[in-house]
Amino acid sequence: SAVISQKPSRDICQRGTSLTIQCQVDSQVTMMFWYRQQPGQSLTLIATANQGSEATYESGFVIDKFPISRPNLTFSTLTVSNMSPEDSSIYLCSVDSENTGELFFGEGSRLTVL
Amino acid sequence: RKEVEQDPGPFNVPEGATVAFNCTYSNSASQSFFWYRQDCRKEPKLLMSVYSSGNEDGRFTAQLNRASQYISLLIRDSKLSDSATYLCVVGLDNYGQNFVFGPGTRLSVLP
Repeated sequence: SAVISQKPSRDICQRGTSLTIQCQVDSQVTMMFWYRQQPGQSLTLIATANQGSEATYESGFVIDKFPISRPNLTFSTLTVSNMSPEDSSIYLCSVDSENTGELFFGEGSRLTVL
Repeated sequence: RKEVEQDPGPFNVPEGATVAFNCTYSNSASQSFFWYRQDCRKEPKLLMSVYSSGNEDGRFTAQLNRASQYISLLIRDSKLSDSATYLCVVGLDNYGQNFVFGPGTRLSVLP
């Protein structure tokens, strides 16, 4: 299993500002995933963060809006840039078990944009 | 058509009842199947993987029907603590970036 710490756990932000979410894993992992869960919705993958290369973004998500850093094998950040109320969501960091395919999630960062 | 579909519920059942959820998926090349549980305001956690032969874990039974492209979850003898949202997850392989989450089915077990 993996233990994942995310911060901030929640924040309230003003429109037009940016927020960076940090994710720390207790073991070295090849890939880290960033998901978004909008109110009442399921999880949507934003991007996969790889150490030593640029993140891979899913359709509908772009680097300018969601820049990602992956400086080492245990840490990643996701920035939500130029926020609007539509960005209000829970953002979740995740890693997978390379043996079983099980996904482990951080507790999420609940973002509210006013 | 969405890749993974579930009845959103809510399913309101009394304690001790048996309840079943279904999930359908559109990509016939899918190879991995899971049920996750998400408690209110918490992160999702793996409940069980779903194998071709079906599998059982205590009160929980999961089955896969590849021909009809659906998976099911059966919960017997429901407990209050089973109240949660159950997410169906389907993947092309065992790598996390290829997983698709269903919208979830909400279950409330009532005293």
